Amino acid sequence: DGGITQSPKYLFRKEGQNVTLSCEQNLNHDAMYWYRQDPGQGLRLIYYSQIVNDFQKGDIAEGYSVSREKKESFPLTVTSAQKNPTAFYLCASSIESRSYNEQFFGPGTRLTVL
Amino acid sequence: ILNVEQSPQSLHVQEGDSTNFTCSFPSSNFYALHWYRWETAKSPEALFVMTLNGDEKKKGRISATLNTKEGYSYLYIKGSQPEDSATYLCATNDYKLSFGAGTTVTVRA
Repeated sequence: DGGITQSPKYLFRKEGQNVTLSCEQNLNHDAMYWYRQDPGQGLRLIYYSQIVNDFQKGDIAEGYSVSREKKESFPLTVTSAQKNPTAFYLCASSIESRSYNEQFFGPGTRLTVL
Repeated sequence: ILNVEQSPQSLHVQEGDSTNFTCSFPSSNFYALHWYRWETAKSPEALFVMTLNGDEKKKGRISATLNTKEGYSYLYIKGSQPEDSATYLCATNDYKLSFGAGTTVTVRA
């Protein structure tokens, strides 16, 4: 089955700790994205990658970092510099990073900072 | 950041009734408009991607129209069913999608 997997589904972190969220896709898509959702708000873009070994900041990149060493993997690290990390995080991918390509989403990870 | 707005924020509709809601966006530099359906405990799924002014798309009982000159899109649900209950997201533009906050539809049996 082709798709996007994210792990874990729920994640708890102590303040001051870095944590890495996993995102894997087997759709052979070039482009991958990380979004954050907060209550009452739309999905906000954190980082995106158009191709392996390349990534760009989205609208709210501060306090986050990513890597794209393999086509199928785009892990997101939430660092201790992120002031309000508790949120729902969604990973997505598309064939290419063009506007007319639909994005395919993973099931999400809910991060709670204790 | 593009200002994509959706209204209403939520709506309740009786099973069998039809409904519609709006996505508005800046009309300058338009490339594409996406509609996604996000059911509880599932991942968002693409419904439509629309690029041309006057575009109309249909999938079963759900359809959408696009007006790029005035910057809005309507999503219609005909004969609502409980399985249509979801949050409907719209998004635009170029390679970085800007999402609205969504319209949450609850269909009452």
